[in-house]
Amino acid sequence: GAVVSQHPSRVICKSGTSVKIECRSLDFQATTMFWYRQFPKQSLMLMATSNEGSKATYEQGVEKDKFLINHASLTLSTLTVTSAHPEDSSFYICSASNRQSTYNEQFFGPGTRLTVL
Amino acid sequence: DQQVKQNSPSLSVQEGRISILNCDYTNSMFDYFLWYKKYPAEGPTFLISISSIKDKNEDGRFTVFLNKSAKHLSLHIVPSQPGDSAVYFCAASGQGTYKYIFGTGTRLKVLA
Repeated sequence: GAVVSQHPSRVICKSGTSVKIECRSLDFQATTMFWYRQFPKQSLMLMATSNEGSKATYEQGVEKDKFLINHASLTLSTLTVTSAHPEDSSFYICSASNRQSTYNEQFFGPGTRLTVL
Repeated sequence: DQQVKQNSPSLSVQEGRISILNCDYTNSMFDYFLWYKKYPAEGPTFLISISSIKDKNEDGRFTVFLNKSAKHLSLHIVPSQPGDSAVYFCAASGQGTYKYIFGTGTRLKVLA
């Protein structure tokens, strides 16, 4: 399968600061990238869908001004958590998809653990 | 509104036996279903998928069954191995969309 990386793998920050998480597709062109978050012992909740070169589509209840998503190229999407608060602490996972694939296959990154103090 | 449900939060199976993980969905527009395996602090790893035009798909030790009338799918792992111990998520995708809706996960523990 295709390889998707995330950086950093874990980050600890102070409340009020902003944190940027990168998601890269290493060996294919990702026309669409997805951002999920997972709380302990819960499911993966889709936050937003981003298509290369256009604005992200956010799921209901996700604040677009707080979770800024940029998908500037076919291999990179970034999620910036602005003015982070302790309740934003979570495991953030990205996935990438290429619409030329047979089905709607998504390839997942290894995730980023965010801890806001 | 949980469109994809995994009603068993955990399952323990003896090594060598069959593991059966279940998943139910409510949206009849879903036409593609997947199973992912996940370890703590890692991203999900794809296991197997099935299109709604099929009722069974097999890949090695893993078989997925789809019952569209019951809106139910299951993952069979046989024989189960200790390395299979992980959290398993089912996911569903609808026609015309690339979004996945994930179930709540089932923690499988395979006992040696």
